Amino acid sequence: EAGVAQSPRYKIIEKRQSVAFWCNPISGHATLYWYQQILGQGPKLLIQFQNNGVVDDSQLPKDRFSAERLKGVDSTLKIQPAKLEDSAVYLCASSPLRSKNIQYFGAGTRLSVL
Amino acid sequence: AQKVTQAQTEISVVEKEDVTLDCVYETRDTTYYLFWYKQPPSGELVFLIRRNSFDEQNEISGRYSWNFQKSTSSFNFTITASQVVDSAVYFCALIGSGNNRKLIWGLGTSLAVNP
Repeated sequence: EAGVAQSPRYKIIEKRQSVAFWCNPISGHATLYWYQQILGQGPKLLIQFQNNGVVDDSQLPKDRFSAERLKGVDSTLKIQPAKLEDSAVYLCASSPLRSKNIQYFGAGTRLSVL
Repeated sequence: AQKVTQAQTEISVVEKEDVTLDCVYETRDTTYYLFWYKQPPSGELVFLIRRNSFDEQNEISGRYSWNFQKSTSSFNFTITASQVVDSAVYFCALIGSGNNRKLIWGLGTSLAVNP
C-alpha cells in the first residue's frame, strides 16, 4: 500500500513570496491533516479535512495560509505571502474513518524562508 | 487542558544498551488514546503504537516495549538492546474524546545510539 505522498521535499523562498505544497493521502483515507513542525517541537495541527470538508482550522493563520481538498482526495496548502517564521517542515497525514485515531504521515516538505 | 510531557530532551546511549523514554500525560477525559511515533532523520513520522485508556496491558513488539500506568499517568517506551537504526526523535501523543479530539504532542526525545 502506497504511503502519504508529499511534494516538493524541499523549498527555499524569499519572504513575501508565495509557496504551495501538495499532498496525496493513502487511498481510501477520508481524513487529511496538515501540520507545521518547527525545529525542536512537536507537530502543530494547521487544518483537518474530512472528505472535502474542513473539520478544524482553528490554528491556521488564515490571513496568509489557505488549504483546499477538492474532490476529497489530494490537498494543497498555500502560504501567501511567506514570513521568516514560516520556516518549518509541513507534514501531511491521513487516516481512515475507522482507524481509531491513527494518523499516517508523509515525509514532509522542508520550507526555508530567507 | 490536555498536556504531554517528555522530560528527556536528548538521550545518548551506546549500541546494545537498553533505554527508556518517559512520557507523562494530563487529561480529564476518561476515554483517551496514547501514541508513540518515531521520526528518523528522513523526517517522516512513523506510527509505533496506540493504547486506549481502558487497556493497561503492557505491550512488547520485538525490541520495543511499552509500560502504561494510569495511576501515574505515564506511558513509557523501552528499547531493548538498542541499535544505531533506533536513532531518531520519538514523540508521545495523546488524543481525548468529545471536544478534545485533537492530537496533543510532546516535544519529543532525541535518541542517539552510538556504535
